[in-house]
Amino acid sequence: IAGITQAPTSQILAAGRRMTLRCTQDMRHNAMYWYRQDLGLGLRLIHYSNTAGTTGKGEVPDGYSVSRANTDDFPLTLASAVPSQTSVYFCASSTTGGLESEQFFGPGTRLTVL
Amino acid sequence: GQNIDQPTEMTATEGAIVQINCTYQTSGFNGLFWYQQHAGEAPTFLSYNVLDGLEEKGRFSSFLSRSKGYSYLLLKELQMKDSASYLCAVMDSNYQLIWGAGTKLIIKP
Repeated sequence: IAGITQAPTSQILAAGRRMTLRCTQDMRHNAMYWYRQDLGLGLRLIHYSNTAGTTGKGEVPDGYSVSRANTDDFPLTLASAVPSQTSVYFCASSTTGGLESEQFFGPGTRLTVL
Repeated sequence: GQNIDQPTEMTATEGAIVQINCTYQTSGFNGLFWYQQHAGEAPTFLSYNVLDGLEEKGRFSSFLSRSKGYSYLLLKELQMKDSASYLCAVMDSNYQLIWGAGTKLIIKP
């Protein structure tokens, strides 16, 4: 592994189903983030984690949950998917959550909820 | 509320210079980032400004005026591979990035 990986690459999901998007980084970064990107809108932060064992809510957290059991992994779970959660999801990481902290992005997961 | 504004789309000619503007209103300011995003790919970091002035990095430069809530990204000697979206993002008082919707740059031969 080099950098950040996400799985799956894409997924079509029936409304009401549960789904977990996986994110793994091998850079030993402390901070990790989940964003969604929708056409015409900027990236919007869903949840973040400044260090293993801690998580926080971003701008659009409703309907999503995260966990950070260790430094490398930061899964995002949709408990009961709805069509408005159709989006491209990016996981990112940075050395810290502070100043000058460049974020590195995974390749994204394209999710369609029908 | 927090707001980042940048033009939706710009067109420029190969070999020319283009300036992409970004204005912002945020709760606090801890720096401004520019990222490049090719279609279907992840954003990649271009530049970071926290003090007023110009930061130059090869063909790309980024300028910041904190008093005006304004930044621009200057791309020189444009190449076809520069066709991409350019995202402006401001780190607010909570150290979270607030993102603009991005500027799609189209390069014509």
